[in-house]
Amino acid sequence: EDKVVQSPLSLVVHEGDTVTLNCSYEVTNFRSLLWYKQEKKAPTFLFMLTSSGIEKKSGRLSSILDKKELFSILNITATQTGDSAVYLCAEGSQGNLIFGKGTKLSVKP
Amino acid sequence: DARVTQTPRHKVTEMGQEVTMRCQPILGHNTVFWYRQTMMQGLELLAYFRNRAPLDDSGMPKDRFSAEMPDATLATLKIQPSEPRDSAVYFCASGYRDIQYFGAGTRLSVL
Repeated sequence: EDKVVQSPLSLVVHEGDTVTLNCSYEVTNFRSLLWYKQEKKAPTFLFMLTSSGIEKKSGRLSSILDKKELFSILNITATQTGDSAVYLCAEGSQGNLIFGKGTKLSVKP
Repeated sequence: DARVTQTPRHKVTEMGQEVTMRCQPILGHNTVFWYRQTMMQGLELLAYFRNRAPLDDSGMPKDRFSAEMPDATLATLKIQPSEPRDSAVYFCASGYRDIQYFGAGTRLSVL
């Protein structure tokens, strides 16, 4: 059974810290790995990764995929209180997305 | 500003009543998904469509839930009869090339 596991489940940091969120997956036919941010509303799309070793970057957020070791990381540098959210990782091997349980990030002032 | 539109945003109903949730996907997207989110279970896929054809509804309780897509601009999720355990946020998402874009959700409370 395909699955996506995220760690840690929750994380508390202070503004200015750098954080790394982890996502590992077990799927039969890998196609893509996606990251979403969910604040109090709907998940919003951050990145889609399909190739190993190529970093995707958007402002202070970046992500990279390792298809050999079957994981991805999401980095956030110089965190701000507005980064507080649940970060979801999902894999898209079957036409739909298989989501992990998410990492809840809390950034304290 | 293309986005997925869901109605209603909030719904409070009594056990046994029928609930209908509607979704207008982003024009040009060929896949539509229904999810349910609770604190305990996280985001669960209920059903999805590609080019309006149902592909997978294995996540739905078949005896009470039904999902349809009568045309390319409308997807519906119905619960009949509703039960308190159905209380959750229901999201619709439309997708293109693996990326899914989520609507704002319908927060359902069944009393």
